[in-house]
Amino acid sequence: QSALTQPPSASGSPGQSVTISCTGTSSDVGRYHYVSWYQQHPGKVPKLIIYEVTQRPSGVPDRFSGSKSGNTASLTVSGLRAEDEAAYYCTSHAGSSNLIFGGGTKLTVL
Amino acid sequence: QVQLVQSGAEVRKPGSSVRVSCKTGRESFRSDVISWMRQAPGQGLEWMGGTVLVYNTIDYAQTFRGRVTITADEATRTVDMELSSLRPEDTAIYYCVAAGVLRDHYDSSVYSFDHWGQGTLVTVSA
Repeated sequence: QSALTQPPSASGSPGQSVTISCTGTSSDVGRYHYVSWYQQHPGKVPKLIIYEVTQRPSGVPDRFSGSKSGNTASLTVSGLRAEDEAAYYCTSHAGSSNLIFGGGTKLTVL
Repeated sequence: QVQLVQSGAEVRKPGSSVRVSCKTGRESFRSDVISWMRQAPGQGLEWMGGTVLVYNTIDYAQTFRGRVTITADEATRTVDMELSSLRPEDTAIYYCVAAGVLRDHYDSSVYSFDHWGQGTLVTVSA
């Protein structure tokens, strides 16, 4: 069982928006601004797409956005494209020497 | 772009140890924040521990404390991860990862990781 809870799957049609949730507790997501999201295509190395809840690394399209409310962080992918089909993992700092992950969400573009 | 080059695949027997090496191409080795992650076949990601080199700090995830050791060598620009008392469930791809920017945090678990090594498959089997 993963420390952060993500839905195992999500889907949307091209052009639509999809939001993936990441639920933790007041000791991790709710307490710290250090929530990140990683995208992983099958057989590939993960890629950082959101850090510190809302920040996008250079080169990441602004179709990807992050937010947080209470103990739940969210990743929204707008204007869905075929290449967005991948697994998405959230992470959160959870105190001293503690970085925890969600179980991952497989996003399918219909 | 920071290049991270890891050592090759390993096969080990249960109870033994494995050492995976990560060579960083960053110009200033001391400004690196390096962590190790792993991903078991068909599973999610797991943080094992990391180091903020400029502060000489090393952190280990509770799950691996006592079994994992991370060491850094500035002369060779490498950060190694050794995992002992291996069991079949340690079979996974092990990733060396680096933060994009050094901030004023000495705990590596605070950082996010822009740069990833190619991964090293470690297989534990009798």
